[in-house]
Amino acid sequence: SQQGEEDPQALSIQEGENATMNCSYKTSINNLQWYRQNSGRGLVHLILIRSNEREKHSGRLRVTLDTSKKSSSLLITASRAADTASYFCATDLYNTGNQFYFGTGTSLTVIP
Amino acid sequence: EAGVVQSPRYKIIEKKQPVAFWCNPISGHNTLYWYRQNLGQGPELLIRYENEEAVDDSQLPKDRFSAERLKGVDSTLKIQPAELGDSAVYLCAGYDRNTGELFFGEGSRLTVL
Repeated sequence: SQQGEEDPQALSIQEGENATMNCSYKTSINNLQWYRQNSGRGLVHLILIRSNEREKHSGRLRVTLDTSKKSSSLLITASRAADTASYFCATDLYNTGNQFYFGTGTSLTVIP
Repeated sequence: EAGVVQSPRYKIIEKKQPVAFWCNPISGHNTLYWYRQNLGQGPELLIRYENEEAVDDSQLPKDRFSAERLKGVDSTLKIQPAELGDSAVYLCAGYDRNTGELFFGEGSRLTVL
């Protein structure tokens, strides 16, 4: 079963613009992670944010976490055509021993 | 360092036929996951192993799906018999305890005709 839901389902932007996608989840977590998936490929880890963290940066990526609202957002700044992919949030549920559940994904298209 | 290896990458079978997928995770990744991903959806957990023990198989359709990880390293996921609705990508992932990340293989795309 899907633990999280991403919003929007699809996003199309021009190269150089920022892309923001959101993830909502249902139960308490140890951490939340974001993954990227290029068409026909496996998922690649982007960034991990722990439940006691509120914001984290990695290169052009910025992740926020609001545990009171059970939501997270991923911001990709200065997008490039190569950022075109699907993005998924994954929740490591509290007290389940590394049980990861993925959201429904956001399909990002960056137009050159 | 080699990544997660899955085979076959693609498989086309007729319904009611059996099929098996193989996964070899990164050395040292004792926790292994099998996920199923339908088109346009996120991965759904089928089963999780800690070494050779299946610690959560609640989402595995046990009437037709089986999995094993006999020596706690590579793993096999089997479907017998396959149904049309089993068409999906089957993803294997290993867990890195040091970083908390999952490392995925490229997946095995199954088409059931």
